[in-house]
Amino acid sequence: QVQLVQSGAEVKKPGASVKVSCKASGYTFDNYGISWVRQAPGQGLEWMGWISGYNGNTKYTQKFQGRVTLTTDTSTTTAYMELRSLRADDTAVYYCARATVVIESWDAFDIWGQGTMVTVSS
Amino acid sequence: DIQMTQSPSSLSASVGDTVTITCRAGQNIASHLSWYQQKPGQAPKFLMYGASTLHTGVPSRFSGSGSGTDFTLTIRSLQLEDFATYYCLQTYNTPRTFGQGTKVEI
Repeated sequence: QVQLVQSGAEVKKPGASVKVSCKASGYTFDNYGISWVRQAPGQGLEWMGWISGYNGNTKYTQKFQGRVTLTTDTSTTTAYMELRSLRADDTAVYYCARATVVIESWDAFDIWGQGTMVTVSS
Repeated sequence: DIQMTQSPSSLSASVGDTVTITCRAGQNIASHLSWYQQKPGQAPKFLMYGASTLHTGVPSRFSGSGSGTDFTLTIRSLQLEDFATYYCLQTYNTPRTFGQGTKVEI
């Protein structure tokens, strides 16, 4: 079945980096994109950025520009989100979600990964 | 960035009730709005797109309407499994922005 399976929970110290993976299966990876969304404890959903599964084009929200890098490995149909210079307020559940292959208005996040808890603590 | 404002932030309801959640966009987003349901400890679940088109398998008691700046999600005959937090999302442009969520509780 169509699914996104994410890597396991991480505990990091302030200033470190984290790389979360999102393994896609059950669909043609390069026909879709992947958006990344995070949710701090008890808070709402926050979009971080998007990457095309076809050509690796990316879009980032300005808040994370320079600190986040989205990549894909089409040979393993896996998307990655790397966040650097971690701070305590980066503590959150990070989700990947299937999106359109190009950034367009007729987009929706129809399949979600199970989430990866990233805890930043000294 | 397009600000999305949901109201109410929470509401109390009973099984069998009809509830309506509103999402207002800070500018015209045509019909480029989708809705998601999230239960505690779970990933969000996709409900509908294009403001009113139900995703496959979503019960027909869910409906959506609106275009431009004002949108509503209506749940008729509320079931126990519908108690959750609901989010709207605009995809008119980037950055994508979510509403702050509406918690539907008993």
